[in-house]
Amino acid sequence: ETGVTQSPTHLIKTRGQQVTLRCSSQSGHNTVSWYQQALGQGPQFIFQYYREEENGRGNFPPRFSGLQFPNYSSELNVNALELDDSALYLCASSDRVGTQYFGPGTRLLVL
Amino acid sequence: GEDVEQSLFLSVREGDSSVINCTYTDSSSTYLYWYKQEPGAGLQLLTYIFSNMDMKQDQRLTVLLNKKDKHLSLRIADTQTGDSAIYFCAESINDAGNMLTFGGGTRLMVKP
Repeated sequence: ETGVTQSPTHLIKTRGQQVTLRCSSQSGHNTVSWYQQALGQGPQFIFQYYREEENGRGNFPPRFSGLQFPNYSSELNVNALELDDSALYLCASSDRVGTQYFGPGTRLLVL
Repeated sequence: GEDVEQSLFLSVREGDSSVINCTYTDSSSTYLYWYKQEPGAGLQLLTYIFSNMDMKQDQRLTVLLNKKDKHLSLRIADTQTGDSAIYFCAESINDAGNMLTFGGGTRLMVKP
């Protein structure tokens, strides 16, 4: 059984650019959630996908968008990057109900 | 709205017990979690408790839940230097228990 994997591990972008982050869920899990963790803070919920549909969203603007694929892997897209988007982006997978398991994260730096 | 609060820092000696505290605001939370984060790493699930339980024990870890006061604690027995990390409590904001609001984290330092 493989765990949650994310790519890339690190990324540097400039303000105004767009970025795509990827996540492969743990085997057997059909729900993927994304979180943003700014330096020194706890993670904040961005959104969740279940069976390729957005299933819930936190307090993030529409320039944060996502996709889930039939194999339950997922992408997080951020348009028009801002300096405050610099953070560790965490993906977590779970069954429809229950505990989540987190990937190692993608560290994004926006200059 | 939901808000989860934790103290910032805790220092203990190796072999002592550590108690990390957390308060939350959403009384309808079905699951409450404790995660551990080591430097530069993702989150490791330590344990969780259903909202209809008062206590859960898992080896060195004991979770206590006081629903009346919306207070959650994590006790680590016989704390080791490898337990040094940031500990996050989180409450679920959906019935399925997989949309979470996290606290700001408590940094645990274990001195030899």
